Amino acid sequence: DAMVIQNPRYQVTQFGKPVTLSCSQTLNHNVMYWYQQKSSQAPKLLFHYYDKDFNNEADTPDNFQSRRPNTSFCFLDIRSPGLGDAAMYLCATSRVPTGRPYEQYFGPGTRLTVT
Amino acid sequence: QKEVEQDPGPLSVPEGAIVSLNCTYSNSAFQYFMWYRQYSRKGPELLMYTYSSGNKEDGRFTAQVDKSSKYISLFIRDSQPSDSATYLCAIGGNAGNMLTFGGGTRLMVKP
Repeated sequence: DAMVIQNPRYQVTQFGKPVTLSCSQTLNHNVMYWYQQKSSQAPKLLFHYYDKDFNNEADTPDNFQSRRPNTSFCFLDIRSPGLGDAAMYLCATSRVPTGRPYEQYFGPGTRLTVT
Repeated sequence: QKEVEQDPGPLSVPEGAIVSLNCTYSNSAFQYFMWYRQYSRKGPELLMYTYSSGNKEDGRFTAQVDKSSKYISLFIRDSQPSDSATYLCAIGGNAGNMLTFGGGTRLMVKP
């Protein structure tokens, strides 16, 4: 089945130690998103790629970076995780303009713990 | 004022009850309305997708949009314990390809 895959599902890192989360998709969608979701809160968009074009949300901290080496893969790098960065990180994809407008498919998420 | 407001719950109902989940929004430019279901420690799963006003039914689920009131609803008939999850409304149409999410309503269906 076509899907969005995130690895690892659970990640524990130390305060200040860089960490990379990965997302891959077999949907052949051209847009990929990274969201941060804290407990009982709405997903918060960090950035997205429209094809190769990177789009950063204005309030995304510089501590967060992303790479998209090809259509299928996207990475989230947290350069110096703080305790406040502990959250669920969600990857999503969509197909623009041929898919249904605004429809996004989510991966299972990576739960990040910072010790 | 948040762009999308959603009662966080929790909402607890007995099995078999009809559930009503709601969101209000402020921007009349929104045209696309979605409901996602999110089980604990999992990613959101698209449940219903509607465009503009009206109703859409899929099995036990009905999505309703009232653009004049800026109010959207998700009804679940014959609720089951497996429906216990957080339901997120998500709305699009004001900018680019971005969705604006509500904070989610946690639903608990008790056997």
